[in-house]
Amino acid sequence: EPEVTQTPSHQVTQMGQEVILRCVPISNHLYFYWYRQILGQKVEFLVSFYNNEISEKSEIFDDQFSVERPDGSNFTLKIRSTKLEDSAMYFCASSERGASSNQPQHFGDGTRLSIL
Amino acid sequence: QKEVEQDPGPLSVPEGAIVSLNCTYSNSAFQYFMWYRQYSRKGPELLMYTYSSGNKEDGRFTAQVDKSSKYISLFIRDSQPSDSATYLCAMRARAAGNKLTFGGGTRVLVKP
Repeated sequence: EPEVTQTPSHQVTQMGQEVILRCVPISNHLYFYWYRQILGQKVEFLVSFYNNEISEKSEIFDDQFSVERPDGSNFTLKIRSTKLEDSAMYFCASSERGASSNQPQHFGDGTRLSIL
Repeated sequence: QKEVEQDPGPLSVPEGAIVSLNCTYSNSAFQYFMWYRQYSRKGPELLMYTYSSGNKEDGRFTAQVDKSSKYISLFIRDSQPSDSATYLCAMRARAAGNKLTFGGGTRVLVKP
């Protein structure tokens, strides 16, 4: 069964450094998402992306965050200057179509980001 | 009041028992309801996806939605040790686009 793949599985970064998390969505999917889960807390929506544009973002997704689809397969989340509170699991998800089509979102196994 | 509430557990049951999980929510605009299973150090895996009120069955899993009570349930029949995981409910409002709102998850332990 096709799946969303994320790399790396664990990223350790010094505070203030830039970090890029990578995702390969399911190949025929058109909508892409990032969520995060701080240890012991709920999974939280960050951003959705369609047709090379951000379609929605949460209050968490401030100017330190950006997303990009640099080629036909990868979808990336960049955090420009990491803070301690950015430490979390970051999940990428994709769906075949968007909200109006009732298509579910499928998640990758996440990247554990640890900020020192 | 939290938007989506879920008892964190842990819920411990003997193998073969029925596991009963539920979530309550406060936003009456939620119309799409999902249950995900999450094993340790893995991503959420979609189990069930329902729209509006009613029941849906898939193998050993049954999802129920009661919009009038703002209450959703997941039942797992003939539970197996491999069902031991955290179960997350998630919801979406039609007007909220693609954003999913998650519950905090219930940890389930099925003992052999």
